[in-house]
Amino acid sequence: GAVVSQHPSWVICKSGTSVKIECRSLDFQATTMFWYRQFPKQSLMLMATSNEGSKATYEQGVEKDKFLINHASLTLSTLTVTSAHPEDSSFYICSATTGLTYGEQYFGPGTRLTVT
Amino acid sequence: QKEVEQDPGPLSVPEGAIVSLNCTYSNSAFQYFMWYRQYSRKGPELLMYTYSSGNKEDGRFTAQVDKSSKYISLFIRDSQPSDSATYLCACTGNQFYFGTGTSLTVIP
Repeated sequence: GAVVSQHPSWVICKSGTSVKIECRSLDFQATTMFWYRQFPKQSLMLMATSNEGSKATYEQGVEKDKFLINHASLTLSTLTVTSAHPEDSSFYICSATTGLTYGEQYFGPGTRLTVT
Repeated sequence: QKEVEQDPGPLSVPEGAIVSLNCTYSNSAFQYFMWYRQYSRKGPELLMYTYSSGNKEDGRFTAQVDKSSKYISLFIRDSQPSDSATYLCACTGNQFYFGTGTSLTVIP
């Protein structure tokens, strides 16, 4: 149980275009989903927290107009990187929690974004 | 000072060795402590999850939390080449804080 999927797993886009990444909880309802970014050989950095049906809470330094998060249902959250630039190239990982025990997050496999 | 400190390694051990991975944290309000395993180019996988001080064992893995010294450990017994990965510790109270990860290689 507790499987989280992400789509796509790998995407290349041109500078200035937008990319949408989907995160789905496959066998449970996720009250809260998190979006992380991970640069090579660095730890996960939390970008934002989203609760179903409400606006996402962004971490300091994360541009909410650039990284649009939508948590439309209890099983789906999307991250849209708008007007992508090469510096946005990174590994984006989502996670989901049922909220029953705050400490347990289940991670998706990640999406590798390369902006050329 | 970072909320969670973890030695990035890399750590290389022979197959069958006991591995000790450690993190320190600064916020005494942290209540939950997790260890994740991350294979290259994959998302992290939850290995162990503990609340409060003490030990928790699951197969070859033992997680240890010492809240008095703000120190958490993960022990891997009889290490296998398949254990080669990056191990991330995480602590949480109201927010999640991850360590930078320790890269482990188990040599056959």
